Amino acid sequence: GQQVMQIPQYQHVQEGEDFTTYCNSSTTLSNIQWYKQRPGGHPVFLIQLVKSGEVKKQKRLTFQFGEAKKNSSLHITATQTTDVGTYVCAGAAAGGGADGLTFGKGTHLIIQP
Amino acid sequence: DAGVTQSPTHLIKTRGQHVTLRCSPISGHKSVSWYQQVLGQGPQFIFQYYEKEERGRGNFPDRFSARQFPNYSSELNVNALLLGDSALYLCASSLELAGADTQYFGPGTRLTVL
Repeated sequence: GQQVMQIPQYQHVQEGEDFTTYCNSSTTLSNIQWYKQRPGGHPVFLIQLVKSGEVKKQKRLTFQFGEAKKNSSLHITATQTTDVGTYVCAGAAAGGGADGLTFGKGTHLIIQP
Repeated sequence: DAGVTQSPTHLIKTRGQHVTLRCSPISGHKSVSWYQQVLGQGPQFIFQYYEKEERGRGNFPDRFSARQFPNYSSELNVNALLLGDSALYLCASSLELAGADTQYFGPGTRLTVL
């Protein structure tokens, strides 16, 4: 079945440094979605990427979808303490969306002030 | 507008018992999906219901079942509970099928099986 791998599992940065997490799918995706999850909380939707090579920005966050629609990345510029949490990617298989999303394990962002 | 709601928030059961978890989607959303999230892992897809029909099923045993009601709310049932069923159970709703549309997650039900 479809697998989504996400690296790194943990990332420690100093406040103000940049952060990047990478997501790779074993199969071609119809779209990829990114979520943020705080400890003890539920996933909160950040963005959806649909087109091959798509790049979207949200303030300090930049999301990319690979040309082959099998990988994606999230880059945060100049991290702030409010960025702490787990960033999780979720891929939707081609074919209509009946099988829900396949989530990666997430990257835990830890920020040292 | 209310978001996705789930009940109960916490639940403690013993092995062999059964449990029913409930979810109310955002008003107007036709799709409800259920996910299991074990500590340290990403959510794992269990079921999707769309317009009251099962449209997708993940790799879970038959002890897991679900249904969607005419008002689009949903129940997840788990029979013969095992210790490994301890997890956060998340419900997500979307306007259209989950893979094609933004999903909005509820706060989850934390199930502990003793």
